[in-house]
Amino acid sequence: GESVGLHLPTLSVQEGDNSIINCAYSNSASDYFIWYKQESGKGPQFIIDIRSNMDKRQGQRVTVLLNKTVKHLSLQIAATQPGDSAVYFCAENNGNQGGKLIFGQGTELSVKP
Amino acid sequence: ETGVTQSPTHLIKTRGQQVTLRCSSQSGHNTVSWYQQALGQGPQFIFQYYREEENGRGNFPPRFSGLQFPNYSSELNVNALELDDSALYLCASSGGQTSYEQYFGPGTRLTVT
Repeated sequence: GESVGLHLPTLSVQEGDNSIINCAYSNSASDYFIWYKQESGKGPQFIIDIRSNMDKRQGQRVTVLLNKTVKHLSLQIAATQPGDSAVYFCAENNGNQGGKLIFGQGTELSVKP
Repeated sequence: ETGVTQSPTHLIKTRGQQVTLRCSSQSGHNTVSWYQQALGQGPQFIFQYYREEENGRGNFPPRFSGLQFPNYSSELNVNALELDDSALYLCASSGGQTSYEQYFGPGTRLTVT
């Protein structure tokens, strides 16, 4: 079946440290991946995306790495700030399924001051 | 802010009743997707509308139905509500039939008693 899963349900880091959130996916045909941040009481907020023809993509303080060999995705947040505290979801989209996004369960990131 | 709006913010219904949720897409976006997010879980795809036609459906029963209007706003209708329908209902808009970047609204919290 199709699934996108996360290795760690919770992650606690010290302010200023780097955070790494991991995600495994099962559909080798997936060609697009997205990371979303969801704060309490809000909808998911787009962070960064990557297509399957790339291994790495960088944004502002965030980097997404894609390892297609082991079907693994990670989100790295540099110099983590208290405002980064939220639940982070990875999602995949197989082009054959139109606009359907398949989400993982989520990882809760807690940043300690 | 994504420019995607949803109404109402919160709603309480009784089992067996019917409910209509509304979504206005981001300006310039012609595609709306609906997701159900149970507490502590990732969003689950319900269906997507592209130019007023259903463009893909997830594993939800027929009592979940939708509409998209000429201005690309959308409705989600749920008949014969069940207790398990209690969830956050999210609407996401995107710029095309297979556009992968989806921008979410704040959601409607539905409680079925």
